[in-house]
Amino acid sequence: AQTVTQSQPEMSVQEAETVTLSCTYDTSESDYYLFWYKQPPSRQMILVIRQEAYKQQNATENRFSVNFQKAAKSFSLKISDSQLGDAAMYFCAYRSAYTDKLIFGTGTRLQVFP
Amino acid sequence: DTEVTQTPKHLVMGMTNKKSLKCEQHMGHRAMYWYKQKAKKPPELMFVYSYEKLSINESVPSRFSPECPNSSLLNLHLHALQPEDSALYLCASSPLRGSGQHFGDGTRLSIL
Repeated sequence: AQTVTQSQPEMSVQEAETVTLSCTYDTSESDYYLFWYKQPPSRQMILVIRQEAYKQQNATENRFSVNFQKAAKSFSLKISDSQLGDAAMYFCAYRSAYTDKLIFGTGTRLQVFP
Repeated sequence: DTEVTQTPKHLVMGMTNKKSLKCEQHMGHRAMYWYKQKAKKPPELMFVYSYEKLSINESVPSRFSPECPNSSLLNLHLHALQPEDSALYLCASSPLRGSGQHFGDGTRLSIL
């Protein structure tokens, strides 16, 4: 069975600085997708970034980028120029190419200080 | 504005009540999902509908009954719930298997 691990329950960063959130996963499949979701206190889950396992190039969305290491099964999220609005719970998630099931990690709560 | 609309936003009900949660999306997505989320925990998948047919049921108690009347609507019927069922219930939809899921704002459910 696939698992997703987020080893950092909480992280903090100063406004305008850079922070990296860690995520590792375990799977025996070769075709899958990885995601980072953000859930602010307003509670809506927002898709931040998506990575296809067969693409070697790391995904980037504005200030958000990932470091995808397929062999190491690592998928970290880097947030550059952090803003107060980035404060939220961040979930890493895995989805097999063969099912509709999304498997979440336990989440990392990010605090942003002015 | 969220593209997945959930109603109501808050619901308080007794253990003997019957109520329904509603989810709607007009993005033409083929798959719709129900999740349960406890405070400070990740969402737990409950049900998945693909092309209006139930494709995944994660061994959810029968007091939760999903329904997909059409490709845009998803309901979750609630009956004889327990206090431990109090949680945030999230609906999501997705267009293709590898695409990210779009979530609604959720319904905060409290069981008295």
